[in-house]
Amino acid sequence: SQELEQSPQSLIVQEGKNLTINCTSSKTLYGLYWYKQKYGEGLIFLMMLQKGGEEKSHEKITAKLDEKKQQSSLHITASQPSHAGIYLCGAQNSGYALNFGKGTSLLVTP
Amino acid sequence: NAGVTQTPKFQVLKTGQSMTLQCAQDMNHNSMYWYRQDPGMGLRLIYYSASEGTTDKGEVPNGYNVSRLNKREFSLRLESAAPSQTSVYFCASSDGGVGYTFGSGTRLTVV
Repeated sequence: SQELEQSPQSLIVQEGKNLTINCTSSKTLYGLYWYKQKYGEGLIFLMMLQKGGEEKSHEKITAKLDEKKQQSSLHITASQPSHAGIYLCGAQNSGYALNFGKGTSLLVTP
Repeated sequence: NAGVTQTPKFQVLKTGQSMTLQCAQDMNHNSMYWYRQDPGMGLRLIYYSASEGTTDKGEVPNGYNVSRLNKREFSLRLESAAPSQTSVYFCASSDGGVGYTFGSGTRLTVV
């Protein structure tokens, strides 16, 4: 089965700083999803990438999928406390189910 | 609001008790899923239903059973709860390979 490795596992950044989270796959990605989870809550859909080289942005969050479709990055510009939470990357597996990485925990300090 | 509804939100069970987690979606999605989330483990797929009338095992199916009652509802049953099943359970649905939507989760503690 496809394995997704996220790095770093956890991140503490000062408010206003930029940060990047990476998601690397053992196989070619045919649909890469990014979700955010606030502590103790459900998953919120951020973005979905399909094409090699694709890049999408929403507010201060930008996600990219590399040309070889085996690595994705999530970049947050000028981080805010509202960005804190767990970021999860997911990719389609058998039967349309998403397979997830273990997540990156982000804390933004004042 | 349209989406995925899970009940209950919290539950405490004694070892050996049984219970069913309910999930319903109102987006007319064909596919539904059950995941569990444990600290440091991400989300792991328990069972999924690609379409009404079909169910398949995921990564961690042992100790669980599922029923796709109709297109809207997909339940997860623990026949004899064990402390190792203490977790947060998420139900999700999708229209094939798009539009994945997650419920708010059920926090289960087995003592």
